[in-house]
Amino acid sequence: QVQLQESGPGLVKPSETLSLTCAVSGGSISSRSYYWSWIRQSAGKGLEYIGRIYISGSTDCNPSLRSRVTISLDTSKNQLSLKLSSVTAADTAIYYCARLDSGSYHATFDHWGQGTLVTVSS
Amino acid sequence: SYDLTQPPSVSVSPGQTASITCSGDKLGEKYVCWYQQKPGQSPVVVIYQDLKRPSGIPERFSGSNSGNTATLTISETQAMDEADYYCQVWDSITAVFGTGTKVTVL
Repeated sequence: QVQLQESGPGLVKPSETLSLTCAVSGGSISSRSYYWSWIRQSAGKGLEYIGRIYISGSTDCNPSLRSRVTISLDTSKNQLSLKLSSVTAADTAIYYCARLDSGSYHATFDHWGQGTLVTVSS
Repeated sequence: SYDLTQPPSVSVSPGQTASITCSGDKLGEKYVCWYQQKPGQSPVVVIYQDLKRPSGIPERFSGSNSGNTATLTISETQAMDEADYYCQVWDSITAVFGTGTKVTVL
């Protein structure tokens, strides 16, 4: 059973870059069957898609965040990473990594990490 | 951008049927997933591709999608079904989530 585990600083200062990693176990991020993604959830609010990456290195991001987001894979460590630049208080949220079962128009987020809370504050 | 609208809350008595709607323009032309999120936990998919149930999801969860509305139905609702539920579709290459519905089992 694949498991995902997010990690990173819980506190980031405004204007700085948020950096998170997601360690994947029980499966390989090099698999050509899956995509890997990031999603966030602000306190008491809904889910917001950040973006996804494929083993080829191809990435897609939410247009609302695209200019600030970098998603990458480290196959040697079997993990994916997220960088979000120029953060503000509005970026305070629980950040989840999740596996997508395909890259198609009917792809499903079939496995999720437990999430990590990131607070943006000076 | 594409928007998905859900009722903020639905209340249901134990053993009764709960219906959660998700509305969007020509939603029936897209595939809908439904995610259940209990307090302090990560979302879990309960329905994918409109009406399919992942292994381990009880049969009381079912889905439909037509026109501008998708519906998640929980039959014989149990106390353990109390949670937030989100619909989700793909708008081109961007995943879009619904506004979420809190299901309360009274």
